[in-house]
Amino acid sequence: DADVTQTPRNRITKTGKRIMLECSQTKGHDRMYWYRQDPGLGLRLIYYSFDVKDINKGEISDGYSVSRQAQAKFSLSLESAIPNQTALYFCATSGGEGLAVGAFFGQGTRLTVV
Amino acid sequence: GQNIDQPTEMTATEGAIVQINCTYQTSGFNGLFWYQQHAGEAPTFLSYNVLDGLEEKGRFSSFLSRSKGYSYLLLKELQMKDSASYLCAVRDAGANNLFFGTGTRLTVIP
Repeated sequence: DADVTQTPRNRITKTGKRIMLECSQTKGHDRMYWYRQDPGLGLRLIYYSFDVKDINKGEISDGYSVSRQAQAKFSLSLESAIPNQTALYFCATSGGEGLAVGAFFGQGTRLTVV
Repeated sequence: GQNIDQPTEMTATEGAIVQINCTYQTSGFNGLFWYQQHAGEAPTFLSYNVLDGLEEKGRFSSFLSRSKGYSYLLLKELQMKDSASYLCAVRDAGANNLFFGTGTRLTVIP
């Protein structure tokens, strides 16, 4: 089983719909992140959390919200999806011995907003 | 803020050596990372440098010069499976978050 699991892996949704992307981890890391990846723009940080009671905005948080339900779970919501939120979304974790690795990534969620 | 630059694309021949450069400007520095990412897949860790010098790990080596804001990833004995994107990332000294370059897409040809 993957250490960082994202669901769903693929999703097509309509403009204006609310959608939630979920992430769970078995690595026991305190830190969790959401990134989006667009061609030519690389990975950009949306939100990050250092523990259950800590939520921080990243580079591009507008239009997104997050919830850290437990140490192992970090979900990303798009309250009203728009087409320019079409992207590949990655959840990542870090902490402990993993600090020398930077971050461990989930397999990604490909989101298409039509 | 962070500014990380790397070439967009490179092509190299199977069996050869290729060097992928990365330059960065950051407000605080706490390490530089290289990741490999095959199309549509998750980035996977390749190397980590926090001090100046060369880190070698099998066919892959990474070099860092903090004074020059410069790193490179060296891939030796290229194989077809090395065709992928290579991401340079800098960890900031404050929140310890990773900031990524746009990635270099490497194509290995026979």
